Amino acid sequence: KQEVTQIPAALSVPEGENLVLNCSFTDSAIYNLQWFRQDPGKGLTSLLLIQSSQREQTSGRLNASLDKSSGRSTLYIAASQPGDSATYLCAAEGGTDKLIFGTGTRLQVFP
Amino acid sequence: DGGITQSPKYLFRKEGQNVTLSCEQNLNHDAMYWYRQDPGQGLRLIYYSQIVNDFQKGDIAEGYSVSREKKESFPLTVTSAQKNPTAFYLCASSIEAGRDMNPQHFGDGTRLSIL
Repeated sequence: KQEVTQIPAALSVPEGENLVLNCSFTDSAIYNLQWFRQDPGKGLTSLLLIQSSQREQTSGRLNASLDKSSGRSTLYIAASQPGDSATYLCAAEGGTDKLIFGTGTRLQVFP
Repeated sequence: DGGITQSPKYLFRKEGQNVTLSCEQNLNHDAMYWYRQDPGQGLRLIYYSQIVNDFQKGDIAEGYSVSREKKESFPLTVTSAQKNPTAFYLCASSIEAGRDMNPQHFGDGTRLSIL
């Protein structure tokens, strides 16, 4: 059974720092991995999706990497801003369109 | 604008009552999903539908029911059999089940509380 873990659970950094959020999964036979952002009381916003055949995806200041052999994905945020404050969730899909979610990393970027 | 609309935003249920959460999408997506989110836990899949008139149970389907009579609509009923219904419920959709690069898009959720 696939299990997804995110470390750290919470992170507080000053504005301008580059930071890395970690996601690990137990079953390397994933179809793709998706990163989401969730603001308090809101739904999820899709940030990046990495297919199993890819190693990374980039969107603006965000870069997500995938290493299936080690069961890890990282989300890199460059030059963090207060507007980046949110909870970041990763989810692994095993080819059945069913996403298995981690519990998230709550990020706070202070001015 | 294209998107997913969930209503109501807040819902209160009395003991023994069934309630229905609405989810409508105008993205022309084939697949739709319902998740439950509890504090400190990740999202868990309740039901999903890959096409109209078809749906499958997710990991925590007990106490819930769904229908998919129209492509754009996937309502979720929380029945009185669901003993701990207080949670944040999220609906999602994706273009086509089994397709490459098939990101799921989410609505803004419904928060259900027990009176």
